[in-house]
Amino acid sequence: DAKTTQPNSMESNEEEPVHLPCNHSTISGTDYIHWYRQLPSQGPEYVIHGLTSNVNNRMASLAIAEDRKSSTLILHRATLRDAAVYYCILRPLGGKLIFGQGTELSVKP
Amino acid sequence: NAGVTQTPKFQVLKTGQSMTLQCAQDMNHNSMYWYRQDPGMGLRLIYYSASEGTTDKGEVPNGYNVSRLNKREFSLRLESAAPSQTSVYFCASSDAGLGKEKLFFGSGTQLSVL
Repeated sequence: DAKTTQPNSMESNEEEPVHLPCNHSTISGTDYIHWYRQLPSQGPEYVIHGLTSNVNNRMASLAIAEDRKSSTLILHRATLRDAAVYYCILRPLGGKLIFGQGTELSVKP
Repeated sequence: NAGVTQTPKFQVLKTGQSMTLQCAQDMNHNSMYWYRQDPGMGLRLIYYSASEGTTDKGEVPNGYNVSRLNKREFSLRLESAAPSQTSVYFCASSDAGLGKEKLFFGSGTQLSVL
């Protein structure tokens, strides 16, 4: 299974944009890039996913590098409720989701 | 909107005891998963079931067994609990694995083995 590398932690100020990076240099052509987040004492929740093109939804945007070896999750205006651990995961066809350590995002008021 | 339901929410066992963690989903998903999460760490896959009647090992299957009872239910059994199995256990489900499907998680079972 291809692996991802994320910073252990990041800090943000409330109402400012946050860019969470993820490196996945061994990604294969059929791997989807998924992002999940886990709020304290809760199960993970889906944030966004993409294959090749940038993606937007109501929660976030996903920017995928042209060579697909890295991606960035963008929270446009961080709120205190966005404080969580964010996981970048590669999911192959027919495959399972293998979580890494994730990035712990803290948001300062 | 029940989604993925796990029971029990909390459990304390003594070393050597057995128990079964239950998981049910009402979204008609084909695939189901069991993960464990130790303090300060990410989730690790124990077992998964790509479809009814099939199960496969994940990253950390030792000490566990699973049963995909039907499409809705996927149980995780600890035959002889050990302190190293103290963890929070999450069940999840998704549509068949074409790669783009979302996983939906339950709220977890906190298990302590003394």
